[in-house]
Amino acid sequence: AQSVTQLGSHVSVSEGALVLLRCNYSSSVPPYLFWYVQYPNQGLQLLLKYTSAATLVKGINGFEAEFKKSETSFHLTKPSAHMSDAAEYFCAVSVSSSNTGKLIFGQGTTLQVKP
Amino acid sequence: EAEVAQSPRYKITEKSQAVAFWCDPISGHATLYWYRQILGQGPELLVQFQDESVVDDSQLPKDRFSAERLKGVDSTLKIQPAELGDSAMYLCASSLELNNEQFFGPGTRLTVL
Repeated sequence: AQSVTQLGSHVSVSEGALVLLRCNYSSSVPPYLFWYVQYPNQGLQLLLKYTSAATLVKGINGFEAEFKKSETSFHLTKPSAHMSDAAEYFCAVSVSSSNTGKLIFGQGTTLQVKP
Repeated sequence: EAEVAQSPRYKITEKSQAVAFWCDPISGHATLYWYRQILGQGPELLVQFQDESVVDDSQLPKDRFSAERLKGVDSTLKIQPAELGDSAMYLCASSLELNNEQFFGPGTRLTVL
């Protein structure tokens, strides 16, 4: 069975500081991995995805993530935080061999950006 | 830009009442998903359609929840009777085909009193 663990339910950074949101996955087969962002009372927006191509994935709004199979990790980073980055972030896994595309989400990490 | 539409955006109901949510996916998207997101948690898949057929409803509480996509386009999710524990955000998503990127609607926030 697949699962996702996001370490830290709340992360607080200063504006301009590095953002690091942690995600570890469990999967017995090669996974597809995703990061989504959710603003209050809105749906989810895809930031980036890993589908077995390059291990360093670049997404929208300056975010990127690196797939590390040996560490079963897919951490999300951004060099310099903006106030507009404050939101809820979800890591998700989908089994590549599955034909359904079902996503399994982590519990989420709330990012606070302080001025 | 095409978007997934959901209505209503907010719904308040009393327990034991019936509620229904509607979703209109992006035009041409064959796959439609309903997720439930309890406050402070990640979304959890309730049901998935491919055209008008159910692909996965293993997490749908079938004693009170039902979902349909009769013409393979828009979809309705119903709860009858609603319970206090059903208070959550109900998200609809669609994708062009299975295993394609999912696009999410704004969600319906349900409060059961």
